[in-house]
Amino acid sequence: GNSVTQMEGPVTLSEEAFLTINCTYTATGYPSLFWYVQYPGEGLQLLLKATKADDKGSNKGFEATYRKETTSFHLEKGSVQVSDSAVYFCALSSGGGADGLTFGKGTHLIIQP
Amino acid sequence: EAGVAQSPRYKIIEKRQSVAFWCNPISGHATLYWYQQILGQGPKLLIQFQNNGVVDDSQLPKDRFSAERLKGVDSTLKIQPAKLEDSAVYLCASSLARTSGRAGEQYFGPGTRLTVT
Repeated sequence: GNSVTQMEGPVTLSEEAFLTINCTYTATGYPSLFWYVQYPGEGLQLLLKATKADDKGSNKGFEATYRKETTSFHLEKGSVQVSDSAVYFCALSSGGGADGLTFGKGTHLIIQP
Repeated sequence: EAGVAQSPRYKIIEKRQSVAFWCNPISGHATLYWYQQILGQGPKLLIQFQNNGVVDDSQLPKDRFSAERLKGVDSTLKIQPAKLEDSAVYLCASSLARTSGRAGEQYFGPGTRLTVT
């Protein structure tokens, strides 16, 4: 079956530091890949997505590249801000992205001023 | 545009009691999902509807959980009887139709936090 593994948290960084949150997946076929984010007190929301190999998803300064050869979709940001503090979830969907999402456990990111 | 609405936001029940959750998706979204999120874990899909038909309920504990989506809009999720391990946040999400190419872009409601004592 499908599964997603992401790095354990919490991850604590200083403002303006470089961020990487690792995510690897196991799936049959060619899944679509997603990063969702949950800010404090808010609901889950889509951050970015990629639907095929070598696609790069980007939003709000965050990027992730769909790497089929390493089955990875690592989240990166060049300079984090305090407002980026949140829980980040890597997820996948089979069936051309039409199936329900399989999520990782989430990574709690804490940015200190 | 209104988001996904869920009620109640919080519920505390004793084990063996029953409980029901309600979800109203974004207008025009044909696909509706229910997820269970246990503390410290990612959400787990329970059931997926396309309009009022079930697409996937393979992870729904059917001996105690049931869900319906009458008229292809609102949905209810019921647990009867509840167990201690059902304590979790129950999330409803909606998206455009499976054939739209954007079904993976799911919009989540605020969730219902269930505590079973």
